[in-house]
Amino acid sequence: EVQLVESGGGLIQPGGSLRLSCAASGITVSSNYMSWVRQAPGKGLEWVSVIYSGGSTYYTDSVKGRFAVSRDNSKNTLSLQMDSLRAEDTAVYYCARVRAYTSSWYFDYWGQGTLVTVSS
Amino acid sequence: SYVLTQSPSVSVAPGKTARITCGGNNIGGNSVHWYQQRPGQAPLLVIYYDGDRPPGIPERFSGSNSGNTATLTIGRVEAGDEADYYCQVWDSSSDHVLFGGGTKLTVL
Repeated sequence: EVQLVESGGGLIQPGGSLRLSCAASGITVSSNYMSWVRQAPGKGLEWVSVIYSGGSTYYTDSVKGRFAVSRDNSKNTLSLQMDSLRAEDTAVYYCARVRAYTSSWYFDYWGQGTLVTVSS
Repeated sequence: SYVLTQSPSVSVAPGKTARITCGGNNIGGNSVHWYQQRPGQAPLLVIYYDGDRPPGIPERFSGSNSGNTATLTIGRVEAGDEADYYCQVWDSSSDHVLFGGGTKLTVL
């Protein structure tokens, strides 16, 4: 059974930093494409970032240069380092496994999410 | 940039058929995936590649995609189907994922 468990969310002041983690079981993070998707309170889903099995990373424009996705193969975890946080980064952050093919990708497993609140 | 448009809400009586649409310029040329999100829960994949169902998803859920509109169809709607539904595509030119704004399905 695949399980993804996020942690690390909390209340942080604007301009601060936070590191989210996603512990995986039932899959090997390093062998998969893994993504972060967020959802602001009362809003829709927004893709944030992806890390390919080969290590390449991509980000949505609004977080480029501020967020960094990485993985720890020894712990089978995915991480999201978030710097220079803004109020508009307030959201529930989900990690998700990506099923990627030449024609498209989609998310077949999701964690339960961790809430990040950026406020003074 | 590419935009996916969903109606904010759809209402349907129990036992009837719900159709939730996702509009986009020539969306029929893309593969569309659909997620169900019940209140307080994580999204759940219900349809991938326009019309395929993951294991465990009832046959009542089906999808189609042509022209400028993709459609998620839920037959014999039940109270438990009440949720937000999101469409999603992958933009190969930018390696970015796009979601529609979501449609709230209300079961009357």
